[in-house]
Amino acid sequence: EAGVTQFPSHSVIEKGQTVTLRCDPISGHDNLYWYRRVMGKEIKFLLHFVKESKQDESGMPNNRFLAERTGGTYSTLKVQPAELEDSGVYFCASSQDIGGVEQFFGPGTRLTVL
Amino acid sequence: KNEVEQSPQNLTAQEGEFITINCSYSVGISALHWLQQHPGGGIVSLFMLSSGKKKHGRLIATINIQEKHSSLHITASHPRDSAVYICAVRSETSGSRLTFGEGTQLTVNP
Repeated sequence: EAGVTQFPSHSVIEKGQTVTLRCDPISGHDNLYWYRRVMGKEIKFLLHFVKESKQDESGMPNNRFLAERTGGTYSTLKVQPAELEDSGVYFCASSQDIGGVEQFFGPGTRLTVL
Repeated sequence: KNEVEQSPQNLTAQEGEFITINCSYSVGISALHWLQQHPGGGIVSLFMLSSGKKKHGRLIATINIQEKHSSLHITASHPRDSAVYICAVRSETSGSRLTFGEGTQLTVNP
């Protein structure tokens, strides 16, 4: 069974540009999470999808970030326009159910904004 | 102050040593996770626990709910154990989102 995959693995863009990150969860997992680790800080929650619906987006830093999960399969996270402070590693995780279950993490996308 | 605190931040050990990483949290939780991240790699879940103790190979995780504290132990450490170990909790009031500690960088020298 394939794990959580993310694309790209690494993205380098200039301030003001747009970047779209993609996450493919484990097949059959309704729950999809986005997390982010910025340099020197702990990993922080961004948002949680249940199927195609946003269950909790309280961690999204501002309206430059837009997450979608059309069809309840893969998800995209778009940053537009990117700022320097958006640099970090963006992790995606998925789980089968909400409560009391393990979240499976993807390899992460390292975003560098110059 | 972060809701989840780990200690130490960095740990260097010699191969074969017994290692302990600590995690303290300040909120009521429904579960605590120990995660491992190798350099340049993704995050792997080691344990999920809500009470007592779990063991997998050379790894042991314990949790004391009353004291809001968990420990991750590695017996007979090996250089391949070198990684960042991260404690994360699912609080009782914040759904299924995880709150993470800053991680402990472990280096095991041969």
